[in-house]
Amino acid sequence: GENVEQHPSTLSVQEGDSAVIKCTYSDSASNYFPWYKQELGKRPQLIIDIRSNVGEKKDQRIAVTLNKTAKHFSLHITETQPEDSAVYFCAASRPNFNKFYFGSGTKLNVKP
Amino acid sequence: NAGVMQNPRHLVRRRGQEARLRCSPMKGHSHVYWYRQLPEEGLKFMVYLQKENIIDESGMPKERFSAEFPKEGPSILRIQQVVRGDSAAYFCASSSSGQGNTIYFGEGSWLTVV
Repeated sequence: GENVEQHPSTLSVQEGDSAVIKCTYSDSASNYFPWYKQELGKRPQLIIDIRSNVGEKKDQRIAVTLNKTAKHFSLHITETQPEDSAVYFCAASRPNFNKFYFGSGTKLNVKP
Repeated sequence: NAGVMQNPRHLVRRRGQEARLRCSPMKGHSHVYWYRQLPEEGLKFMVYLQKENIIDESGMPKERFSAEFPKEGPSILRIQQVVRGDSAAYFCASSSSGQGNTIYFGEGSWLTVV
């Protein structure tokens, strides 16, 4: 099956700096890559996603890039704010099947 | 437009008792997924169901755990004879179809086994 690895496990940045979280996947058939943000005690919430037919997608301060050849994708958060502090999970799924494989999570701490 | 509804939000059970967790998918969604999250860990896939069908249960422990999604009513994750190691957050998610669609999570059910 698919194996998704996520790095780093923890990330601490100053408010206003950028944060980058990286994930690799093993199954070349995976074609959909969502990112979820989970605040303490809350549900994971979708923040951005990308499909394998594009290389980059942006939504305000958040962007995701995908390198299909290298089988890795990254989440970029610019101008970080304290409210960005949370655990972020990447995931991958294959076409024709909605089984999602999640990375182990990155705990982001944005220091004011 | 109600999201994925889970209940109970918090459940305390003694070792050996049964736990039943319920999940109602978003309106218009017919695909349900259960994930388990241990403290400080990631989301582990347990089971994927459609109405009256189990599509993939490869993440379910072979014993004590079962799931259903009946024609009427919510999906239910059942844990029999709970042990302390079952203490975790159980998240349900739903999607509108089974092919490449986003899944949306409920607020989770936190099971504590004492």
